[in-house]
Amino acid sequence: DVKVTQSSRYLVKRTGEKVFLECVQDMDHENMFWYRQDPGLGLRLIYFSYDVKMKEKGDIPEGYSVSREKKERFSLILESASTNQTSMYLCASSLLGTGVYGYTFGSGTRLTVV
Amino acid sequence: GQQVMQIPQYQHVQEGEDFTTYCNSSTTLSNIQWYKQRPGGHPVFLIQLVKSGEVKKQKRLTFQFGEAKKNSSLHITATQTTDVGTYFCAGVNAGGTSYGKLTFGQGTILTVHP
Repeated sequence: DVKVTQSSRYLVKRTGEKVFLECVQDMDHENMFWYRQDPGLGLRLIYFSYDVKMKEKGDIPEGYSVSREKKERFSLILESASTNQTSMYLCASSLLGTGVYGYTFGSGTRLTVV
Repeated sequence: GQQVMQIPQYQHVQEGEDFTTYCNSSTTLSNIQWYKQRPGGHPVFLIQLVKSGEVKKQKRLTFQFGEAKKNSSLHITATQTTDVGTYFCAGVNAGGTSYGKLTFGQGTILTVHP
């Protein structure tokens, strides 16, 4: 069963901490994405990557960075966590090609910053 | 930037009633996708529409893509309690290099009363 795995389901961090959210996919997908989901706002794209070491800003990159050293792993980094970064974070992956392919999402990490 | 608006935000129906959610993009789309997120779950890919005026069916679900490729709808006939969840549309902007990057609507939360 193909899978996108996020390292933590729930996470509580203190303001100012550096936070790492990890995502691993086993489908050999080129594209990987990080979204945050907030009530009434849907899914908003933070960053995405279409290849190892490549990254592109999404719609709300401020306060975040990413790392993709290996094809299967895409990490989201909160350099200095703030309370307004409390949210559900969803990782997704998809194939890259001439068409557009459906995303496979991970189960999400609910991050609370106190 | 591209915006995808989805209405209604909430819909409460009695089991057996029909349900429709609408999606409108500020720009022409190359394709549109629909996802379902069960309560407590993550979004799951349902379908992709690519052609202008395309209509696809999955059992009780009917998906349409507008002639101008700027709007779409999802219609569920005779809702069941298993249809409960949030339905998202997501589109890729036509033209340019987007690497399959989707912009999601805010979602419609469907509640079905037995």
